[in-house]
Amino acid sequence: EIVLTQSPGTLSLSPGERATLSCRASQSVSSSYLAWYQQKPGQAPRLLIYGASSRATSIPDRFSGSGSGTDFTLTISRLEPEDFAVYYCQQYGSSPITFGQGTRLEIK
Amino acid sequence: QITLKESGPTLVKPTQTLTLTCTFSGFSLSTSGVGVGWIRQPPGKALEWLALIYWDGDKRYSPSLKSRLAITKDTSKNQVVLIMTNMDPVDTATYYCSHTWSYYDSSGYVDYWGQGTLVTVSS
Repeated sequence: EIVLTQSPGTLSLSPGERATLSCRASQSVSSSYLAWYQQKPGQAPRLLIYGASSRATSIPDRFSGSGSGTDFTLTISRLEPEDFAVYYCQQYGSSPITFGQGTRLEIK
Repeated sequence: QITLKESGPTLVKPTQTLTLTCTFSGFSLSTSGVGVGWIRQPPGKALEWLALIYWDGDKRYSPSLKSRLAITKDTSKNQVVLIMTNMDPVDTATYYCSHTWSYYDSSGYVDYWGQGTLVTVSS
């Protein structure tokens, strides 16, 4: 089973700043089959990125994903107030599917 | 428009069996590449993947819960059912139904989620 470790646990930034979230896998993620999700309180998660770098439908271009192998990054180029939420990475290259423990992005 | 909705009991007693139904619309579970799965989230905690059934009937389970889980589909009714046996208070969580898109040799990512249903395990 691939274990995903996200860092930092909490990230405190201000609107307009750049956010960089990390997801590290315990072994190589096959074919960069890695996704990122955003979850706001009381809501279901929302798909942001799949295939490590492909934006899902209707996702603003300030969200970008990169990485391969065991190291992946989600970057939000310029934070908007609605971006403060919890972010999860997920690998789907091998079974079982696994999620990271999440990074909370909070307003500084 | 793809929608999924979970239904089932909101309260179960320890040792009981939980049966959750996912009713979906906007897609067919007989379409190649499509899967419907279940993911849960204990209050204040992270997401945990549970089970997935694909268009071709292939089933996948979380190794840590495999002995307690069963997933089935009724394509004609657009429903997927998850059964979890021997419920415990640690199983208290919001349970999400999900549409998964599998391509090439991947297990698939979730592109649509249900609203989730909170299941509490308590005597």
